[in-house]
Amino acid sequence: GEDVEQSLFLSVREGDSSVINCTYTDSSSTYLYWYKQEPGAGLQLLTYIFSNMDMKQDQRLTVLLNKKDKHLSLRIADTQTGDSAIYFCAENENYGQNFVFGPGTRLSVLP
Amino acid sequence: GAGVSQTPSNKVTEKGKYVELRCDPISGHTALYWYRQSLGQGPEFLIYFQGTGAADDSGLPNDRFFAVRPEGSVSTLKIQRTERGDSAVYLCASSETGTWGEKLFFGSGTQLSVL
Repeated sequence: GEDVEQSLFLSVREGDSSVINCTYTDSSSTYLYWYKQEPGAGLQLLTYIFSNMDMKQDQRLTVLLNKKDKHLSLRIADTQTGDSAIYFCAENENYGQNFVFGPGTRLSVLP
Repeated sequence: GAGVSQTPSNKVTEKGKYVELRCDPISGHTALYWYRQSLGQGPEFLIYFQGTGAADDSGLPNDRFFAVRPEGSVSTLKIQRTERGDSAVYLCASSETGTWGEKLFFGSGTQLSVL
């Protein structure tokens, strides 16, 4: 079955860039997503990328997709303390509604 | 409603008991999803409704788990003979039409603790 992997922790200083990485196994993944989860809150969609793209930029967020290596990354520029949260990578296969999530990366932003 | 609402926010029960978890999706959203999130893990798909019918229930772990959405709006996830391993946060999400790639809106979840 599909598998999505992420490193579990990342710590950065306020104002620096954060890069959160994700690898996936399902070559038929067509959409890849980044969700953010703050304590006690539901998941919030941050951004997504279609598999025929290799980059997408949305304000402070940049998503890079290397389809050959099945590697997805999320870069947050000028990281703020409000960015502290758990970030989940997710994918769904062709025309499916079964989203597969990674274990999440806990981002800590130090002042 | 303004967002996806889940009740209760916390549920503590004893092993062997029956529980019901409720999800109230965003008004007008036809697609509704249930996920389960164990501590330190990402959400795991359980079931997806399109309107009143379960379009994909392949994620339900066994026949103790059942979900309904009788009028195509509110959904209830039912767990019979609860086990300690059922302890997790149960997340509900909805989307406007269930179209492939559409944005999901998640509720805050129900924390289920089975003692």
